[in-house]
Amino acid sequence: AQSVSQHNHHVILSEAASLELGCNYSYGGTVNLFWYVQYPGQHLQLLLKYFSGDPLVKGIKGFEAEFIKSKFSFNLRKPSVQWSDTAEYFCAVKKSGGGADGLTFGKGTHLIIQP
Amino acid sequence: DADVTQTPRNRITKTGKRIMLECSQTKGHDRMYWYRQDPGLGLRLIYYSFDVKDINKGEISDGYSVSRQAQAKFSLSLESAIPNQTALYFCATSLANEQFFGPGTRLTVL
Repeated sequence: AQSVSQHNHHVILSEAASLELGCNYSYGGTVNLFWYVQYPGQHLQLLLKYFSGDPLVKGIKGFEAEFIKSKFSFNLRKPSVQWSDTAEYFCAVKKSGGGADGLTFGKGTHLIIQP
Repeated sequence: DADVTQTPRNRITKTGKRIMLECSQTKGHDRMYWYRQDPGLGLRLIYYSFDVKDINKGEISDGYSVSRQAQAKFSLSLESAIPNQTALYFCATSLANEQFFGPGTRLTVL
């Protein structure tokens, strides 16, 4: 079974600092990759996704992620974080090619941005 | 996402009670899912459905059942709730491998 590992469970940064959240997955086949964000008290929102093509994916709110197939990684980055980026971030993987077996999520990274 | 709604949004119940969580969608998607979220564990898949006639168990289906009453409705039931089922429950729909989540139901079992 596939699994997703997020390396940092809690991250605290100051405003304007650069952000990188690590995500590795275990499935050896073709995958679809996602980053979701959950702001306090809210539901999950899609930040960005990778299905195929350019491995550098740009999402909403200035976030981007790079798919490195050889490393089974899909790290999330943002050059300069804001206080409003305080949230929980989840990496998720789905085997590509259809099927409805759901997403496999990492355990999440709780990001706190200090003013 | 207003296209996927869940009721109730919050529920407190007692051990042994039967509970039903409801999910409705106006997206017209065939695929629907139920996840639970626990602190430090992320989201885990409980059940999923391809369409009205198809129900599949996910990673953690024990203690849960589902009903797909129509394309737009997918209900999750806890036949006899227990305290370790206290969690945040999310419904989702899917189209072309992308999932769209509802606002969640916070369930507390005392």
